[in-house]
Amino acid sequence: DVKVTQSSRYLVKRTGEKVFLECVQDMDHENMFWYRQDPGLGLRLIYFSYDVKMKEKGDIPEGYSVSREKKERFSLILESASTNQTSMYLCASSFINSPLHFGNGTRLTVT
Amino acid sequence: SQQGEEDPQALSIQEGENATMNCSYKTSINNLQWYRQNSGRGLVHLILIRSNEREKHSGRLRVTLDTSKKSSSLLITASRAADTASYFCAPLTTDSWGKFQFGAGTQVVVTP
Repeated sequence: DVKVTQSSRYLVKRTGEKVFLECVQDMDHENMFWYRQDPGLGLRLIYFSYDVKMKEKGDIPEGYSVSREKKERFSLILESASTNQTSMYLCASSFINSPLHFGNGTRLTVT
Repeated sequence: SQQGEEDPQALSIQEGENATMNCSYKTSINNLQWYRQNSGRGLVHLILIRSNEREKHSGRLRVTLDTSKKSSSLLITASRAADTASYFCAPLTTDSWGKFQFGAGTQVVVTP
């Protein structure tokens, strides 16, 4: 079974802190994704990576950056956390044009 | 890439009834996928239908695809309380390189 592991289930950070959200997959998938999910807004794509060191902006990249140094790991970085980044963050991975496999999410609160 | 729009936003039914939800999209697709999300968890893939298919079944799930109307439907037959979840569609275009976008989903509540 494919496993996508997000490093934290719950995270509380202060405004202005640099925050790292880590995601690891064990299926050698080319594609990895970061989404945020807010009530009534569905999932919004933050960043997408289709290979090591390759990345593409999604719909809402402002305030975020990503790193993919190894195929299995995709990190989301909040350079300076703000309260409007309080959200559920979901990582996913897939082969090209194949179904996504999601982690269980990280619920981030920025105070 | 493009996102699908699910309809209705919310659906409340009794156990044993059928639940139907729809998905509309804007441009030609390679395939369309349906996902389920239980509260507070990640999404789980349910079923994939390719652009040259019209109907697909998986257990109590039935998915249809009408490419002329750019729409798909998901039917859950004989629903159970465990089907309570949000359901999302994800249309995949040929140029998207697997970049999925999701809408707001349909929230289904099944009452025992």
